[in-house]
Amino acid sequence: GENVEQHPSTLSVQEGDSAVIKCTYSDSASNYFPWYKQELGKGPQLIIDIRSNVGEKKDQRIAVTLNKTAKHFSLHITETQPEDSAVYFCALLGWSWGKLQFGAGTQVVVTP
Amino acid sequence: NAGVTQTPKFQVLKTGQSMTLQCAQDMNHNSMYWYRQDPGMGLRLIYYSASEGTTDKGEVPNGYNVSRLNKREFSLRLESAAPSQTSVYFCASSEASSGADYEQYFGPGTRLTVT
Repeated sequence: GENVEQHPSTLSVQEGDSAVIKCTYSDSASNYFPWYKQELGKGPQLIIDIRSNVGEKKDQRIAVTLNKTAKHFSLHITETQPEDSAVYFCALLGWSWGKLQFGAGTQVVVTP
Repeated sequence: NAGVTQTPKFQVLKTGQSMTLQCAQDMNHNSMYWYRQDPGMGLRLIYYSASEGTTDKGEVPNGYNVSRLNKREFSLRLESAAPSQTSVYFCASSEASSGADYEQYFGPGTRLTVT
């Protein structure tokens, strides 16, 4: 199946700073790239996604960029707040319809 | 709407015991999934069901079986639990129809410990 590498595995930022998480993949057929946020003790929840015909998408303080040529996509969180502390997973819709392949996750800690 | 519900929330098993994890969704979704989450390994797909009456293996199916009981319910069975199956298990559902909504909705998880 598709391999998704996610970096960094942990990220500590000061409140108000920006956070960036990057994922790389190998299958050029991938065309859907979501990001999920998992708060402690809960299941993951979709926060933003992007499709391959779009290079960037923004929703308030979060944005996702996609570079299909280089096969990487990134999550950007601006003006971080304590409630942004969570584990973030990138994913992509790979070779098999309806099945997502997830990255290993990034633990983001926002310190006041 | 409750979304995706899972039972139980916590379970401790001894090696060799069996159990079934239950999952139900009330969003009329066609597709349902079972994942396991282990530290540093993200979410790995165990089994999925693209539609009622069909099931297929995912990335890590060994030691598990599933049943898509009806459109709402998708259960995961461990026939003979092993310590390697200690994990947090998530059920998810999605519409996953062609060209449209691939968003997966996750349940709250079941934390399973096998001793």
